[in-house]
Amino acid sequence: QSALTQPRSVSGSPGQSVTISCTGTSSDVGYYNYVSWYQQHPGKAPKLMIYDVSKWPSGVPDRFSGSKSGKTASLTISGLQAEDEADYYCCSYGGSHIWLFGGGTKLTVL
Amino acid sequence: QVQLMESGGGVVQPGGSLRLSCAASGFTFSDYAIHWVRQAPGKGPEWVAVIHSDGNTKYYSDSVKGRFTISRDNSKNTLYLQMNSLRAEDTAVYYCAKDLTGSYTVDYWGQGTLVTVSS
Repeated sequence: QSALTQPRSVSGSPGQSVTISCTGTSSDVGYYNYVSWYQQHPGKAPKLMIYDVSKWPSGVPDRFSGSKSGKTASLTISGLQAEDEADYYCCSYGGSHIWLFGGGTKLTVL
Repeated sequence: QVQLMESGGGVVQPGGSLRLSCAASGFTFSDYAIHWVRQAPGKGPEWVAVIHSDGNTKYYSDSVKGRFTISRDNSKNTLYLQMNSLRAEDTAVYYCAKDLTGSYTVDYWGQGTLVTVSS
């Protein structure tokens, strides 16, 4: 199974909203509601922001939201803040005890 | 709070071996499956392996199957990854990550340990 497809970069101004897409196949994103999103600042470990497509872990602001349509999942960040600038990765369960990650999207806050 | 601390990374020649460790604290280690995930420089993460809480059930990615072995010692709250027949493409930061019960995902990650395979 191949990695999930994400745009290499997105950008937005403070206060605006941005959406990052994550495209898989009918065997992973399109089949399972086990899509998660991670935020990673340079030199740091990834941090879970969304799991099970649209659920929030404790402590994650609701400015971050997740959704899915068919084989594409999306992460939307509203009310952009400077500290949101980071790399974002999606992850999907692929069945048969396999997990797939996206190549990552660099978010720039202008 | 949940803490995961990897160690054992370093520089190794192609064909060589290395053993990584992951020390866990802040949660009941023996209750959770734990994963290894790696991230090559400038790339997205790649799932490597998972071991269930009892240590008897293990799964591997095709890219490491037959070369890497995941294990755990619940009495020491420690996870291991024995890596043999290392290749240049195994060069990455290796993270251990705690499974999120009830979902097929991981929630907490360690800070990672760098493995460089080079002659």
